[in-house]
Amino acid sequence: SQKIEQNSEALNIQEGKTATLTCNYTNYSPAYLQWYRQDPGRGPVFLLLIRENEKEKRKERLKVTFDTTLKQSLFHITASQPADSATYLCALQADSSYKLIFGSGTRLLVRP
Amino acid sequence: ETGVTQTPRHLVMGMTNKKSLKCEQHLGHNAMYWYKQSAKKPLELMFVYNFKEQTENNSVPSRFSPECPNSSHLFLHLHTLQPEDSALYLCASSQGQGGEGGELFFGEGSRLTVL
Repeated sequence: SQKIEQNSEALNIQEGKTATLTCNYTNYSPAYLQWYRQDPGRGPVFLLLIRENEKEKRKERLKVTFDTTLKQSLFHITASQPADSATYLCALQADSSYKLIFGSGTRLLVRP
Repeated sequence: ETGVTQTPRHLVMGMTNKKSLKCEQHLGHNAMYWYKQSAKKPLELMFVYNFKEQTENNSVPSRFSPECPNSSHLFLHLHTLQPEDSALYLCASSQGQGGEGGELFFGEGSRLTVL
């Protein structure tokens, strides 16, 4: 069955460092991969989308990579700030499908 | 403000009650979704509507009944729920289905507790 794995343990880093979050998947061939941020008690907020034929995408301090051979996406936040503390969700989508399959998310804690 | 409004934000109901969750999107999107988020579990897709037609029912029990009267409004009618149905119910909308334009805009969710 399709499986998306995100590190269930919280990532705890010092302010100013680069945070790197991992999303691995099996038994799936996504055409698109999305990353969302979710704060406690709030709905997820869309951050970035990357296509299967794109290796990397950037938006301000955010960078996403997508390796379809390794079946992995990495999500980087450079110069991290305490305000970046949240849970980050990856989600995969097949070509031309409305079904977005989510991972469980990884909680990021940025210490001042 | 995400452009997707959900009410109520919190709901407590007994197993014999009937209640409804409401979602309204002000983004002019064509697709609307209900997701369930339980503690320590990934978001689970429940229903999808595209141009107010249901296009997906992800094997959801009949005690959950969706209604989409138009592209801007989505309801989830709740009847004889179980305690394990307690969760955060999230509504979302998207411009398209899939790919760029398929990113979801979520509401803040309705926290449901079933006693």
